[in-house]
Amino acid sequence: DAKTTQPPSMDCAEGRAANLPCNHSTISGNEYVYWYRQIHSQGPQYIIHGLKNNETNEMASLIITEDRKSSTLILPHATLRDTAVYYCIVRVASSSNTGKLIFGQGTTLQVKP
Amino acid sequence: DAGITQSPRYKITETGRQVTLMCHQTWSHSYMFWYRQDLGHGLRLIYYSAAADITDKGEVPDGYVVSRSKTENFPLTLESATRSQTSVYFCASRGGTSQETQYFGPGTRLLVL
Repeated sequence: DAKTTQPPSMDCAEGRAANLPCNHSTISGNEYVYWYRQIHSQGPQYIIHGLKNNETNEMASLIITEDRKSSTLILPHATLRDTAVYYCIVRVASSSNTGKLIFGQGTTLQVKP
Repeated sequence: DAGITQSPRYKITETGRQVTLMCHQTWSHSYMFWYRQDLGHGLRLIYYSAAADITDKGEVPDGYVVSRSKTENFPLTLESATRSQTSVYFCASRGGTSQETQYFGPGTRLLVL
């Protein structure tokens, strides 16, 4: 699975959009980009994933560059409850793949009032 | 209640004792995983299981034993606990299709004295 690079920490004002970048320059054509987050003392939580196209769900939007070497997770209106560690993970999505996730250090997002 | 649960949530034990951490999921997911999380190491995969009676080692399996006699349960046993196994343990599950995401339990905080 491709390696990802994320900034160690970011701040965001409450109510503003939080844009979390992720570099995955060695991503392969069959690898998806997944985002999870971990709020303090809780288990990781799935946010969103995508292959090529931009994706949006009720939690966030995922923007993947055309060359797929980087992506951005967007939380459109960050709240204090969005303060968490955000993990960008790249992995092959295949029914024969175990689906095990390789977690890096992630980005600690601090949402401030 | 539907979902993935872990028990106990907190456990204190002594070096050399056997400890079993329980994980139960109600989705009939094929895959189940055990991770540990330590400061400075992030989440690391201990063992995983693709189905009942099928298990395999992850990154850090030494000192741990797993079994999966039923699809919904995936217990993790520390046969002879050591202080280095003090950690937070997360169980996760996912379905059998290629893109399905992992769902994590709330974690078990284990202290080995």
